[in-house]
Amino acid sequence: AQSVTQLGSHVSVSEGALVLLRCNYSSSVPPYLFWYVQYPNQGLQLLLKYTTGATLVKGINGFEAEFKKSETSFHLTKPSAHMSDAAEYFCAVSDHTGGSYIPTFGRGTSLIVHP
Amino acid sequence: DSGVTQTPKHLITATGQRVTLRCSPRSGDLSVYWYQQSLDQGLQFLIQYYNGEERAKGNILERFSAQQFPDLHSELNLSSLELGDSALYFCASSADGSTYGYTFGSGTRLTVV
Repeated sequence: AQSVTQLGSHVSVSEGALVLLRCNYSSSVPPYLFWYVQYPNQGLQLLLKYTTGATLVKGINGFEAEFKKSETSFHLTKPSAHMSDAAEYFCAVSDHTGGSYIPTFGRGTSLIVHP
Repeated sequence: DSGVTQTPKHLITATGQRVTLRCSPRSGDLSVYWYQQSLDQGLQFLIQYYNGEERAKGNILERFSAQQFPDLHSELNLSSLELGDSALYFCASSADGSTYGYTFGSGTRLTVV
């Protein structure tokens, strides 16, 4: 079984500050890892993904995440927050079930950006 | 526009009723996934179809059913609705559901009164 834990249901930062959203996972097989963003009244949008290879993954809008196997973590960072980054962020881990990959999502972290 | 189309966007219905939610996947995608998002449960996987066949099943209630048609659009049928079924229902699609992530639609907000 796989699971995802996102530490902190809300994270508040000032505009221009570092963004750090934490994600820890458990998986019985090498995982595929994802970060999604959800803006109000919209569906989830893929920010970035890790499947194999380089453990530092760069995504859209200046976000990046690092896969650390020893820590079973996949934290999302952005050097400088922008007001438009305010949204809900979901970490997901994908396993292989019945011939397909079904991701398990974390409960989400709401990013609040103060001017 | 993600390319995944869900209709209707909003639906209000009474307890005990039945509704059908529709999803058209992104062009070329063969796999469709249904998710339920609620404050209580977060984002829960319901069911997956691949090229018309059920591929995986998650936490889908027996009152719920789905199918994928030859043109690859999918419908999620919810019956004997309860207040607790009020949620956002998302459809996502992917080429093969393996390594490329998912493309989500904007969801159908179901309110059961």
